[in-house]
Amino acid sequence: EAGVAQSPRYKIIEKRQSVAFWCNPISGHATLYWYQQILGQGPKLLIQFQNNGVVDDSQLPKDRFSAERLKGVDSTLKIQPAKLEDSAVYLCASSLAFSGRFEQFFGPGTRLTVL
Amino acid sequence: LAKTTQPISMDSYEGQEVNITCSHNNIATNDYITWYQQFPSQGPRFIIQGYKTKVTNEVASLFIPADRKSSTLSLPRVSLSDTAVYYCLVVIPSGSARQLTFGSGTQLTVLP
Repeated sequence: EAGVAQSPRYKIIEKRQSVAFWCNPISGHATLYWYQQILGQGPKLLIQFQNNGVVDDSQLPKDRFSAERLKGVDSTLKIQPAKLEDSAVYLCASSLAFSGRFEQFFGPGTRLTVL
Repeated sequence: LAKTTQPISMDSYEGQEVNITCSHNNIATNDYITWYQQFPSQGPRFIIQGYKTKVTNEVASLFIPADRKSSTLSLPRVSLSDTAVYYCLVVIPSGSARQLTFGSGTQLTVLP
């Protein structure tokens, strides 16, 4: 079974530039999550989708971050414009919608460096 | 949401059993406890989950006392490859919004 795919793996940009990350979840997983992980900290949830609808985006900085999940499969997270404090690893995860296990499957992440 | 507290770091030697304890004093009646493992440059990986008493799978055991205010992840006979960050999480099973709130985790270092 293929895992969660993310691209790119690494990205270096200057502040005020824009950047986009792509995620392809595990086939059949209706729920998709984007996390931000700053060095030395645990992942922080940014947004959660159920199919192509947003379940929770309360921690998404909406003035600069946006995310979409068209057709309930792939998802894109965008930052525009980037700030120095956005330097982090951006993790995508997916899970079954209703399951007895609280198991999320994480991708390898995209490491963003903002200069 | 129940706050979790776990040690920042632990060291162990190969072949030893490692126990990582997590406290979650204000856990609610319906909440579950889960543990995730994260290696450098990888996303977290689910290890185990439990509600009460003891749960065991092929990689770990989870001990939860009757008051559920703490839990202990037990890793039998660790090897160098078990060096990772371990996260204890309390999960609210509210329909589809099964969100995970990660703390800073415990950095386990296994020494030869």
